[in-house]
Amino acid sequence: QQQVKQSPQSLIVQKGGISIINCAYENTAFDYFPWYQQFPGKGPALLIAIRPDVSEKKEGRFTISFNKSAKQFSLHIMDSQPGDSATYFCAANFGNEKLTFGTGTRLTIIP
Amino acid sequence: DGGITQSPKYLFRKEGQNVTLSCEQNLNHDAMYWYRQDPGQGLRLIYYSQIVNDFQKGDIAEGYSVSREKKESFPLTVTSAQKNPTAFYLCASSIIARPNTGELFFGEGSRLTVL
Repeated sequence: QQQVKQSPQSLIVQKGGISIINCAYENTAFDYFPWYQQFPGKGPALLIAIRPDVSEKKEGRFTISFNKSAKQFSLHIMDSQPGDSATYFCAANFGNEKLTFGTGTRLTIIP
Repeated sequence: DGGITQSPKYLFRKEGQNVTLSCEQNLNHDAMYWYRQDPGQGLRLIYYSQIVNDFQKGDIAEGYSVSREKKESFPLTVTSAQKNPTAFYLCASSIIARPNTGELFFGEGSRLTVL
């Protein structure tokens, strides 16, 4: 079963625009929500993460918004740049249980 | 530099052959993982290990086997029983902390193609 649903599958954004990727989860026990960034031919790397005791976390141009009641969280990339072109995965888990990943979003930033 | 090393980066296999993918880490992490990545399907967990000489099946373990004889090493064997083995395989590691710090450190992957 898919416990973390991610959308859209692909996204094209103009340089300088805002990229938004959404995830929804089912397991209310989840207490850790990371986002990973993967460049072609490389392994994913942790980008930013949030816990459900806060509604938003910002690191530079990257922001996670978290809506606990709706069981949704999203990644916003402000002032998107060509170097942000990558595949982004949301994920979730609780305790020391294994991470459950979303299906990924391929982001392309065009000039 | 600390990190995770996967080898080989590219591997071609004939149908019916077993192949073993190597994963070595020098981060002193307790936990290690193998994921399979296919387009549009995200990262699916094959096997994971939280301690030497112990490992658990993930969501898609059929046709795969692993061993964890050393903390630093977690090789994955793709057996001939795996019906669709062509994929990008990713190894990862993490510390085990309570509460969960959660971060997985990934290698650069091994791309397996079955001819």
